[in-house]
Amino acid sequence: GAGVSQSPSNKVTEKGKDVELRCDPISGHTALYWYRQSLGQGLEFLIYFQGNSAPDKSGLPSDRFSAERTGGSVSTLTIQRTQQEDSAVYLCASSLGVAGGALSYEQYFGPGTRLTVT
Amino acid sequence: GEDVEQSLFLSVREGDSSVINCTYTDSSSTYLYWYKQEPGAGLQLLTYIFSNMDMKQDQRLTVLLNKKDKHLSLRIADTQTGDSAIYFCAEILYSSASKIIFGSGTRLSIRP
Repeated sequence: GAGVSQSPSNKVTEKGKDVELRCDPISGHTALYWYRQSLGQGLEFLIYFQGNSAPDKSGLPSDRFSAERTGGSVSTLTIQRTQQEDSAVYLCASSLGVAGGALSYEQYFGPGTRLTVT
Repeated sequence: GEDVEQSLFLSVREGDSSVINCTYTDSSSTYLYWYKQEPGAGLQLLTYIFSNMDMKQDQRLTVLLNKKDKHLSLRIADTQTGDSAIYFCAEILYSSASKIIFGSGTRLSIRP
């Protein structure tokens, strides 16, 4: 079946430009996460959507970052006025997100978008 | 806080056992997870343990849970070169709408 997809797979942009990264979660998954992973580093949590609840934005590093999730499905992460330190792989993950055992919280990760800011 | 802590690096000799450690924060977490990220790939669930268990074994993998100390470990027996990866532990933070919190990841390297 279809997994989590992300687009574009690679994005090169000039410093100061805005970028939009897209995530298509697995159909029926109510939870959606965005993470950032710098080269060889761990996961940095950015934002968490759960159903119709207000998103947990506690991981967004600055007000240049924002995300939305339309219709409980597709999500877009927007970075305004990109900086070189924004260069990283941006990962999206989704999970069933409803109580129902360990595997209902299992996160399925997309392949990521590699963002390079020049 | 919401920190899940892991050491960043571990190097073991091929054939030896690897033990990757993690400390977590939420004593109400019912499930704790280990994810594996192979080079150039995404994270995939490796195994998990229910919080009322002390140990779970799955072939070469053994998960140990010490709830009192909030300490989780992953033991890989007979470590092979294919086990080279970054290993992440994760907990569920029920106080935050069941948000999953990942540790920083432990990079396991295998030497011949």
